[in-house]
Amino acid sequence: DQQVKQNSPSLSVQEGRISILNCDYTNSMFDYFLWYKKYPAEGPTFLISISSIKDKNEDGRFTVFLNKSAKHLSLHIVPSQPGDSAVYFCAASANYGQNFVFGPGTRLSVLP
Amino acid sequence: DVKVTQSSRYLVKRTGEKVFLECVQDMDHENMFWYRQDPGLGLRLIYFSYDVKMKEKGDIPEGYSVSREKKERFSLILESASTNQTSMYLCASSRLGTTYTDTQYFGPGTRLTVL
Repeated sequence: DQQVKQNSPSLSVQEGRISILNCDYTNSMFDYFLWYKKYPAEGPTFLISISSIKDKNEDGRFTVFLNKSAKHLSLHIVPSQPGDSAVYFCAASANYGQNFVFGPGTRLSVLP
Repeated sequence: DVKVTQSSRYLVKRTGEKVFLECVQDMDHENMFWYRQDPGLGLRLIYFSYDVKMKEKGDIPEGYSVSREKKERFSLILESASTNQTSMYLCASSRLGTTYTDTQYFGPGTRLTVL
């Protein structure tokens, strides 16, 4: 049973619009969450993180929102650019980030 | 610039062969990890290591073993490769941190095909 779920395998968005990627988790012990971006033939690269003491974290065009009561987080990309086209993985940890559980990923396509 | 390298980008092996996947990091990180990535399943943890000569099983250790003789190097071993081990293998490393700011750095991956 997957502890971290990304229910949308793919998402297409027009350039300049907002992309919203969603992630749900089942383990209430998770206290640290990250988003990774992965291009084909490359390893995942860290994008943004949030700890459970916050409900929002921003870094430029990327914002992550955490709703602990719903066990839900989302990544907002505004404005979306063609270079954002990649697979996005949500990951969660329960012990200071030593070990992560990854979701299955969402493939984002930003159309010019 | 942080760097995690993996010995091969692509590898083709036959069923029953012994396979070694090597990973080297130059960041003096304590933690090292091996994952496999399969469509629809995301990254699943095979083994990890917090220190030299130390290893811990991840979620899917069956059919794999690991070796960490030096801090910078973490090897994944498939004792007898099988077709269901065809996958993308990703190595990662991270600091043994005590804050929420630590993240894992990934290598480029090895696509292994077992025929």
